[in-house]
Amino acid sequence: DARVTQTPRHKVTEMGQEVTMRCQPILGHNTVFWYRQTMMQGLELLAYFRNRAPLDDSGMPKDRFSAEMPDATLATLKIQPSEPRDSAVYFCASGTQYNEQFFGPGTRLTVL
Amino acid sequence: GENVEQHPSTLSVQEGDSAVIKCTYSDSASNYFPWYKQELGKRPQLIIDIRSNVGEKKDQRIAVTLNKTAKHFSLHITETQPEDSAVYFCAPYTGGFKTIFGAGTRLFVKA
Repeated sequence: DARVTQTPRHKVTEMGQEVTMRCQPILGHNTVFWYRQTMMQGLELLAYFRNRAPLDDSGMPKDRFSAEMPDATLATLKIQPSEPRDSAVYFCASGTQYNEQFFGPGTRLTVL
Repeated sequence: GENVEQHPSTLSVQEGDSAVIKCTYSDSASNYFPWYKQELGKRPQLIIDIRSNVGEKKDQRIAVTLNKTAKHFSLHITETQPEDSAVYFCAPYTGGFKTIFGAGTRLFVKA
């Protein structure tokens, strides 16, 4: 049963530190999404890739966030420097065009 | 830009009653209309979807109806059960491979 995996599952860090979150999409899926979820904002799209190319990252604060897909099996989301307002659950999802998105378990980030 | 609205934001029903959640979108190029369910502390998961060449789709107690002219689609849950309590999101696909999630509807089913 193929699943999207994310690491780490939980991360507690101090303000100003770099945070890297990783995602392994389901093999064969050509679209990868990064979402941020807070109680107040729901599911917010940060960035998405198609065939490893970034299509839209307009949802990300560019000065501190970056998203990449070094290869088809790995997507990364980095925050540098992190701030307390970045505390949230970050979900990665993968899928194919105009089809279901499969979500990973999420990374719960707490920035102190 | 694209706009997606979900109503109501909170819905409380008695067990056995029906629940209806509506999603309105703005992009006329949208052609794929899924609904996701997210239980507390878990990941969102697809429960039903519909494509633009179909008006209605059913899967046991859940159904989705689509009105492309009016640009809205709705989730219908019949004979609700306590395990249906969750947050439900619509996420229409726009023409640019992108999905915009609605703000979510928190459904409470009272036993």
